[in-house]
Amino acid sequence: DGGITQSPKYLFRKEGQNVTLSCEQNLNHDAMYWYRQDPGQGLRLIYYSQIVNDFQKGDIAEGYSVSREKKESFPLTVTSAQKNPTAFYLCASSTQGVPYNEQFFGPGTRLTVL
Amino acid sequence: GQQVMQIPQYQHVQEGEDFTTYCNSSTTLSNIQWYKQRPGGHPVFLIQLVKSGEVKKQKRLTFQFGEAKKNSSLHITATQTTDVGTYFCAGQNYGGSQGNLIFGKGTKLSVKP
Repeated sequence: DGGITQSPKYLFRKEGQNVTLSCEQNLNHDAMYWYRQDPGQGLRLIYYSQIVNDFQKGDIAEGYSVSREKKESFPLTVTSAQKNPTAFYLCASSTQGVPYNEQFFGPGTRLTVL
Repeated sequence: GQQVMQIPQYQHVQEGEDFTTYCNSSTTLSNIQWYKQRPGGHPVFLIQLVKSGEVKKQKRLTFQFGEAKKNSSLHITATQTTDVGTYFCAGQNYGGSQGNLIFGKGTKLSVKP
C-alpha cells in the first residue's frame, strides 16, 4: 500500500531540545516537502527537495534543518533556534513534471514544546 | 512576496445551501490546485486547473480558473455534512521551482444538519 508515513503523530519536547520528525514515502516520488500549519493559517513551506542530496529553503526555514540521503526519506529537525516550534507539521511528496504535480500529504505530526 | 488570498476565512451554512470560496493571486499563476482538509486530518488533493477560463466539475463541486489566471473559485452545490472541512487553494508561479506551491489560508466550512 503506497503512501507517506510520518511519526509520531504527537510529540512533546522541552524547550531548548532539538527534535527530529520523520517522513517516509514509498510512492517513488522525487520531490518531498515540509510544511508548517498553525491554527487559522495556511500551509507554509519550510524546506523542499527535488532530488536526493539536494534541498532548498522555503519561506520559513530559520530554525529548521533537513537531509535527503535517500529518495524515500526526508527528516526534519526542529532546532532550539526555532522560536515558536509548537505547530502541526506536514510532509508531502510529488512527482516531477509540469503541471501535474499534485502533492500527497502524510498524516502529520503535532509537535508541542513545553 | 507572492501571496494567494483566500476568502472567506470561515463559512457556516445550513445543509442544502450552496458554498463558494474564492482565491486571488497578486501575480499570474501557471496553475492552481485545490485541497480539502477534514478536521484533524491532512490536506487531500481535489483538482488542478491549468488553462485560462477553465471550469471543471466533480459531482457537486465546480472549480473555475479566471481568464487572467489570477483568481479561482470553488463552488459546492447543496452542501452536505460530509463537506465539512477546510478548503485550500494553492497556486504555482510561472518559472517557480517545481512543485513549489503557495497556499491560501483556507476557508473553513461548517455545515449545520
